[in-house]
Amino acid sequence: DAGITQSPRYKITETGRQVTLMCHQTWSHSYMFWYRQDLGHGLRLIYYSAAADITDKGEVPDGYVVSRSKTENFPLTLESATRSQTSVYFCASSEAQLSYNSPLHFGNGTRLTVT
Amino acid sequence: ILNVEQSPQSLHVQEGDSTNFTCSFPSSNFYALHWYRWETAKSPEALFVMTLNGDEKKKGRISATLNTKEGYSYLYIKGSQPEDSATYLCASLGGGSNYKLTFGKGTLLTVNP
Repeated sequence: DAGITQSPRYKITETGRQVTLMCHQTWSHSYMFWYRQDLGHGLRLIYYSAAADITDKGEVPDGYVVSRSKTENFPLTLESATRSQTSVYFCASSEAQLSYNSPLHFGNGTRLTVT
Repeated sequence: ILNVEQSPQSLHVQEGDSTNFTCSFPSSNFYALHWYRWETAKSPEALFVMTLNGDEKKKGRISATLNTKEGYSYLYIKGSQPEDSATYLCASLGGGSNYKLTFGKGTLLTVNP
């Protein structure tokens, strides 16, 4: 089935380690997004991408790096993980610009714990 | 950064009750308002995307209205069922960006059988 998948579902890592969260979608959607979900906050945008090789910062980009060499993949890398990056991370995609009646389609999330 | 507020934070209703929630957002430079339904242990699923003032959208027993001039949207659930139990998120797109949705913290609905 077509869809958007994230891996891993759960990850425990140590402070200072590099970790990459994977996101893959089979719809050929142009737009992809990374959000984090923390208690007391709404979903917050980390990075987004409008197309392959086009990425831009969201609300909370510090400590994260993204790439989009292929339309279907949008990995999120924590270069040197910190405890404050313990969170649930959601990848999402959309077919068109979000202002064009185009909703987000979310992956199942990755729960990351930084010890 | 836009400020999107949802109320109430949580709500308990009995099966069969009708209910509604509010989402308020900045009315200036408004592009779109999204509603999502988020069940526990799942990922958010889109309900509606609304762009025009006065828009009303309906999906089964769930409907939503939009007032862009005053900056609010209502989500209505008619005849709530236990399977409607979820967190309902709204998100506003505006402020000059076509990509940066700002989410509210959600309304947690629990429907008791």
